[in-house]
Formats: sequence, C-alpha cells, structure tokens
Amino acid sequence: GDSVTQMEGPVTLSEEAFLTINCTYTATGYPSLFWYVQYPGEGLQLLLKATKADDKGSNKGFEATYRKETTSFHLEKGSVQVSDSAVYFCALKTHGSSNTGKLIFGQGTTLQVKP
Amino acid sequence: NAGVTQTPKFQVLKTGQSMTLQCAQDMNHEYMSWYRQDPGMGLRLIHYSVGAGITDQGEVPNGYNVSRSTTEDFPLRLLSAAPSQTSVYFCASSSQSMDTEAFFGQGTRLTVV
Repeated sequence: GDSVTQMEGPVTLSEEAFLTINCTYTATGYPSLFWYVQYPGEGLQLLLKATKADDKGSNKGFEATYRKETTSFHLEKGSVQVSDSAVYFCALKTHGSSNTGKLIFGQGTTLQVKP
Repeated sequence: NAGVTQTPKFQVLKTGQSMTLQCAQDMNHEYMSWYRQDPGMGLRLIHYSVGAGITDQGEVPNGYNVSRSTTEDFPLRLLSAAPSQTSVYFCASSSQSMDTEAFFGQGTRLTVV
C-alpha cells in the first residue's frame, strides 16, 4: 500500500544551521506531496506542497522538490531559527479509482533549534 | 473564517465511559477525517467521510464510531473508553481535489484513566 517514510528524529541544530529532513514515499500513480508543521500544543498546518514531478514547493524559507525518480520529497532550509522548532510531517495524497482525498502521513520528525 | 473547529480541547474520562468529540468545518469540504496522534507513530487515520451520509473505516477504527449527517459536522464517538485510547485526536477536512491540502482542527487531548 501507499506509505511515507521520514527520517528518525529528534533533530537538534544550532541557530543558522542548514536543515534537511528526508522523506521518501511509496505510491501507485502520481501522488501530491505535502509538508505539514505542528508547533507545540497546536494542530497541523500546511508548510508547502508539490503536485507533480519536479515541482518545488516553498514557504517561509523552507523548500522541497518532488523527485519522481527517487520517490523523495526532502525538506530543506538554509538557516534555521529557534522559532522553527516543531514537528514536521511529510504526507501524500493519491489518485485512485475512488479519490477520497485521504492523506497518508509519515511518522513525523521533531526539530529542536538551540540559540 | 473559522476553518475546522474541534471541541473539547481537553478531556479526562474513566474507563468504560462514552463521549463524543465534535468537529465542524465551514469550508464546504466534502472530505472529513479523524486521526489520532501517538508518540513515535505519526498520525493514524481512524475514520473518514467523503460526503454526508457516507463514512468508512481507516487504519485504526476499533472502539470508535462516526456519522456524517451534514456536510459541516463529523463527530467521533468513543463507545466505551479504554486507556489505549489516550491520545491526541485531530479532525481534518479538505476538498477532494488532488492538489489541495487538508485543514486541521486544534486537537483534543484525551486521557482515559
């Protein structure tokens, strides 16, 4: 079945360090891909998305490129801030004979940024 | 624009009690779903609905019941609470378009003692 695998956390970085959170997926067809962020005590909110191969999603300095050949959607940021400390979820939404709009999530990666 | 509203935010139940978690959205989305979030396990789909009158089971449906009488509302019922249902619950809604994201409520932190 369809699935998403994220790198294990937690990830601890110093402020202004470079961030990469790996995400790979397995899906039939061509999914849409999403990164969600969850700040402490809050719900999930969309960070960025890409809906077809080679698309790059970007928001708030974060970027991710939809790589069909490697089935990956790695999240990157050039210089993290303390305020980026959160849990990050990679997710996919697949086409199907019954397009239910269902999202499949990775297990989440906790990022802690220290001053 | 309220988005997705979940109530309550916190709840403590005794084993065997029942309760309903409320979820409402004002975006006229067809698709609504309930997830539970447990440490190290990401979000797991409990039940979902593709429209009023239509519901289906997700990955972890046991012990939960849902109904969808209107487009706006999608309550989740715990029939007889168990400690294993201690979790954070999220409701989400989206259109069925492949390109659009899901919108999440703020979550309900449930503790079953």
